[in-house]
Amino acid sequence: GDSVTQMEGPVTLSEEAFLTINCTYTATGYPSLFWYVQYPGEGLQLLLKATKADDKGSNKGFEATYRKETTSFHLEKGSVQVSDSAVYFCALIPNTGGFKTIFGAGTRLFVKA
Amino acid sequence: DGGITQSPKYLFRKEGQNVTLSCEQNLNHDAMYWYRQDPGQGLRLIYYSQIVNDFQKGDIAEGYSVSREKKESFPLTVTSAQKNPTAFYLCASTLQGSGNQPQHFGDGTRLSIL
Repeated sequence: GDSVTQMEGPVTLSEEAFLTINCTYTATGYPSLFWYVQYPGEGLQLLLKATKADDKGSNKGFEATYRKETTSFHLEKGSVQVSDSAVYFCALIPNTGGFKTIFGAGTRLFVKA
Repeated sequence: DGGITQSPKYLFRKEGQNVTLSCEQNLNHDAMYWYRQDPGQGLRLIYYSQIVNDFQKGDIAEGYSVSREKKESFPLTVTSAQKNPTAFYLCASTLQGSGNQPQHFGDGTRLSIL
């Protein structure tokens, strides 16, 4: 079945470091891909999305490119801030028309000042 | 502003008691969802509803029940049959009709056992 695999956390970085959180997926065809962020004690918020191959989603300095050939959607940011400390979830919606979103297990990011 | 409101933020359940978590949305979304999140874990789908008066079981529906009498509301009841209910519960909604619409989430309800 469809699935999402994320790198295990926690990831600990110093402020201004480069961030990569790996995400790969298993799905037929061309699913839509998403990154969500969850701050402590809150629900998830959409960070960015991409709906077709080679699309790049971007928001708040974060980017991710839909790579069909490697079935990946890695999240990157050039210079992290303490305020980026959160849990990041990669997710997909299959292109079979369903209503369910498949979430990865989440990756916790700690950014030190 | 449109959004999803979950209440209460914190809830305590006694042994053998049923409790109901509220979820209301004013986004005019058709589909609504309930997820359970355990510490350090991802999201697990409990129930979802695509239209009023219809809902389907998710991956971990045992010990839970829902209703969808109004488009705006999708309450979740945690019954006494759910033996390990301590978790963070998240409600979400999304537009119908397109496979690329993101989910919008509430701020969650944290349920604990007394």
